[in-house]
Parts: sequence; structure tokens; C-alpha cells
Amino acid sequence: KQEVTQIPAALSVPEGENLVLNCSFTDSAIYNLQWFRQDPGKGLTSLLLIQSSQREQTSGRLNASLDKSSGRSTLYIAASQPGDSATYLCAVSVTSNDYKLSFGAGTTVTVRA
Amino acid sequence: DAGITQSPRHKVTETGTPVTLRCHQTENHRYMYWYRQDPGHGLRLIHYSYGVKDTDKGEVSDGYSVSRSKTEDFLLTLESATSSQTSVYFCASQGFSYEQYFGPGTRLTVT
Repeated sequence: KQEVTQIPAALSVPEGENLVLNCSFTDSAIYNLQWFRQDPGKGLTSLLLIQSSQREQTSGRLNASLDKSSGRSTLYIAASQPGDSATYLCAVSVTSNDYKLSFGAGTTVTVRA
Repeated sequence: DAGITQSPRHKVTETGTPVTLRCHQTENHRYMYWYRQDPGHGLRLIHYSYGVKDTDKGEVSDGYSVSRSKTEDFLLTLESATSSQTSVYFCASQGFSYEQYFGPGTRLTVT
């Protein structure tokens, strides 16, 4: 069974600092990995998706890397802002038959103004 | 976003009653999913669908059933609600670039 771990569970940084969020998974035979953001009481918003053949994806201030062989992904958020405060979840899809996702528990980020 | 809506958004029900949650998407996505989110457990897959009338079980399917009679609608039924099914339920659909898009969630309380 695929296990997805996110450490730390919570993170607090001053505004302007770069954020580094970690995700690890036990089975390296993944199809893709997706990063989500969740605001309190809201649904999940997709941030980035990395296919297993890719090493990284970028969108604006966000950059996600994938090292499949070591079972790790890192989400970098540059020049953090208070609006970046949220819970960030990573999820991996193991097969291309059903694309089911296994989620980590998330990292809750607070950016202090 | 994929234009996914869920109804109702909040529901309080009594133990033993059946409950149906509805998910509606407007993007003609083939794959749809039902998850529940609980503190300490994160998001867990209940059931999913890979086409009209094609469904399968996820990680925590006991006590739940689903139906998909149209591409756009995916229903989750709690056959006889129990307090352990108090949770936030999310529906998702998979886009053509393999990203999953989530609805706003339904907060269900079973008393």
C-alpha cells in the first residue's frame, strides 16, 4: 500500500521567506504526483501536477520537484505572502487505470505579516 | 476549475437514516471520485467511477454505495448512517490533463 508522508505537519514563517514543503512516498512506481492547497473550510485547489517522467513543474512563484527513485517531492514557494497561509497536500497516483490518489496528511503553513 | 458542485453543503441526520450526497460536474470528465476527510486520517477514497454505470470501491467503502447514471452526476449514498460517518465529504473529477478537481465539500453530521 502506498504511504505518503508530509513533514513538518505545520510551519510558520515571516513574510518574504521562501517556503520548502516536503512529501515522501513509499512506492516509487507512481504515475503522477499532485500538489494541492486547502483553505480552512474549503475544498482542494490543484496547484501543480508532475508526471512520473518529469523532474519538475513551475507555475508562477511555485516550483515542484520530483525524485521518483528516492520517493520524494518538494514544493517551493518563493517570497511567501500572508495569502499563502493554507494547508498544502501532496497526493500520488499509482496506476493509469483508475488514477486513484493517495494523500499525505498535509503541511499547514502560516505566513506572518 | 472544473465547475464541480456538491449538494447539500451541510446536513445533519439521525443514526440509521439513509443519506444521499450529490456531485455534479459540467466538464464531461470520465473519472469521478468520492473522498472523506477526517482529522488524523486525511483524505481517503470511498468509491470512484470510470464511466457511466462503471464504479469501484476505494479504501473505505463499507457502508457506502454509489451510482452514476449520467456522466455529470455521481451520487454517494450512506445506506444507514452511523456516527462514524460524520465527516466532510469531497467529490472530485479528473481532467483531461490528469489533474483532479475538487468540489467545495459536504459537511455531514450524524447524531
